[in-house]
Amino acid sequence: AQSVTQPDIHITVSEGASLELRCNYSYGATPYLFWYVQSPGQGLQLLLKYFSGDTLVQGIKGFEAEFKRSQSSFNLRKPSVHWSDAAEYFCAVAPTGGGNKLTFGTGTQLKVEL
Amino acid sequence: DAGITQSPRHKVTETGTPVTLRCHQTENHRYMYWYRQDPGHGLRLIHYSYGVKDTDKGEVSDGYSVSRSKTEDFLLTLESATSSQTSVYFCAIGTGGSTDTQYFGPGTRLTVL
Repeated sequence: AQSVTQPDIHITVSEGASLELRCNYSYGATPYLFWYVQSPGQGLQLLLKYFSGDTLVQGIKGFEAEFKRSQSSFNLRKPSVHWSDAAEYFCAVAPTGGGNKLTFGTGTQLKVEL
Repeated sequence: DAGITQSPRHKVTETGTPVTLRCHQTENHRYMYWYRQDPGHGLRLIHYSYGVKDTDKGEVSDGYSVSRSKTEDFLLTLESATSSQTSVYFCAIGTGGSTDTQYFGPGTRLTVL
């Protein structure tokens, strides 16, 4: 069965600083990978996704993620964080060939200091 | 944003009472999903549907049932609510193809006293 680990429960960064959120997965093959963001009291919004091809994926709001097969990782990055990026971020995986059964990590809460 | 609405958005109920949550979509997507979100657990799949009258269980289906009589509506029923079902419930939709992407509704916060 697939699983996802987000090692950092909480992260605090200063506005304007760079950001990296970690995501590690366990799966027998290369899965499909997703990052979602959830603002307080809101639903989940898709930031970006990886199915195949270029391992550096660009998303919305200036976010990018890099798939590293050797490390079973799909870390999310942003070069300069804005106060509005404060939210909870979820990594998710789906088995290759079908996204029906998404497995989510437990989330990373991002706080941005002004 | 995908056209997904959930009703009610908030509900407080008592242990033992039946509860039905509704998810409505305007995207004509084939797949619909119900998740629950709890602190420390992320989101966990309860049930999903891959077409009208076609449903299957997810990871945490015990105590829940679903129905889908129309493409646009997916209902989640708690036959006899328990305090352990206090949670935030999210509906999602997807096309169901090999590169399916799921889009989420705004959520329903359910409190069972």
